[in-house]
Amino acid sequence: AQSVTQLGSHVSVSEGALVLLRCNYSSSVPPYLFWYVQYPNQGLQLLLKYTTGATLVKGINGFEAEFKKSETSFHLTKPSAHMSDAAEYFCAVRGGGTASKLTFGTGTRLQVML
Amino acid sequence: GAVVSQHPSRVICKSGTSVKIECRSLDFQATTMFWYRQFPKQSLMLMATSNEGSKATYEQGVEKDKFLINHASLTLSTLTVTSAHPEDSSFYICSAPPGPSDGYTFGSGTRLTVV
Repeated sequence: AQSVTQLGSHVSVSEGALVLLRCNYSSSVPPYLFWYVQYPNQGLQLLLKYTTGATLVKGINGFEAEFKKSETSFHLTKPSAHMSDAAEYFCAVRGGGTASKLTFGTGTRLQVML
Repeated sequence: GAVVSQHPSRVICKSGTSVKIECRSLDFQATTMFWYRQFPKQSLMLMATSNEGSKATYEQGVEKDKFLINHASLTLSTLTVTSAHPEDSSFYICSAPPGPSDGYTFGSGTRLTVV
């Protein structure tokens, strides 16, 4: 079984500041980890994923995340926030196999202030 | 990249009527399609998993007679909300994995409002 915990339902940063969204996971099998972004009334867009290999993963829009097995974490970061980054962010985990389910965290709403 | 096309994006219907939502994988074959429901400011709740050529698997607490799922082909899955009521108003999203280690590709969602 897998589960995801996102710490902080709401994060507020100033434009240009570092973005850090926290995600911890629990998995009984080697996890595949994902970060998605959702804009209002839209589906989810994949930001980045970790499956195997390099633990620092780079995604779209300048985001990156680091898989830390010892800490069971997969935190999302971006060095400099932009107004367009304001959205809902979901961390998710799945096991292997095509039909395995994605388990989502509760989401973190990122607000970017001028 | 892999695309899942979901229609309609928005629908308003009267109580007691049925609404069909379609999801098509445009450039890959989706043997599996996941259907989610999302309430305002909440995470996605998996409702059911549809598999081409077999019956859908429903999550605990989801009424299979109310939410009819059909996976007619490798590129089409549908969700029909039967005898809709205002409490069925929600955002419904489908998704499919293009490959065994891929993140899922999501449809753009359907905002259902039952009046």
